[in-house]
Amino acid sequence: AQSVTQPDIHITVSEGASLELRCNYSYGATPYLFWYVQSPGQGLQLLLKYFSGDTLVQGIKGFEAEFKRSQSSFNLRKPSVHWSDAAEYFCAVGGRGANNLFFGTGTRLTVIP
Amino acid sequence: EAGVAQSPRYKIIEKRQSVAFWCNPISGHATLYWYQQILGQGPKLLIQFQNNGVVDDSQLPKDRFSAERLKGVDSTLKIQPAKLEDSAVYLCASSPFTTLSGANVLTFGAGSRLTVL
Repeated sequence: AQSVTQPDIHITVSEGASLELRCNYSYGATPYLFWYVQSPGQGLQLLLKYFSGDTLVQGIKGFEAEFKRSQSSFNLRKPSVHWSDAAEYFCAVGGRGANNLFFGTGTRLTVIP
Repeated sequence: EAGVAQSPRYKIIEKRQSVAFWCNPISGHATLYWYQQILGQGPKLLIQFQNNGVVDDSQLPKDRFSAERLKGVDSTLKIQPAKLEDSAVYLCASSPFTTLSGANVLTFGAGSRLTVL
């Protein structure tokens, strides 16, 4: 069965500190992995995606994520967090073709001065 | 390019009333999705269209929810009668790909927030 686990419901970091958001997935075929960000009252914006190839992918706003097949993980990282990064972050998994995306429950990021 | 348009952005109704949400996907996108996002949860698929045909509606509560995508462009999601547990954000997304093509990237609209009293 397909599923995504984001073990951290809420994370608080200081501005300028590094960030890592965890994501573990379960998928029966070759997974395509995504991170989306949702600001309050807004829809989901794609940060980055992994389909194949280099397991370290770069996204927008200085984010990156690393695919580790052996750990079924796709953790999101940023070396220095900005106050504008405060939002809800969702990890999602899908497969080849126009299949559904399965989302995790999200991690809410708070950034303190 | 213009994004995915949704309306209304907010709607408050009483239980047992009906409501309809509209979505206009990105021009040329073959696949359209409706997701339900309950507060504190991730989005869950309600229905997926490819052009004007239904690909997956297994999670749609068909006794009260209906959706259509006439002419393979914009789509309407209807709830009748609404229940308290239908309070959620209804997200529309579109993708240029069809089932036979490659990796799929969804673009989401801003969502329609429904409150059922």
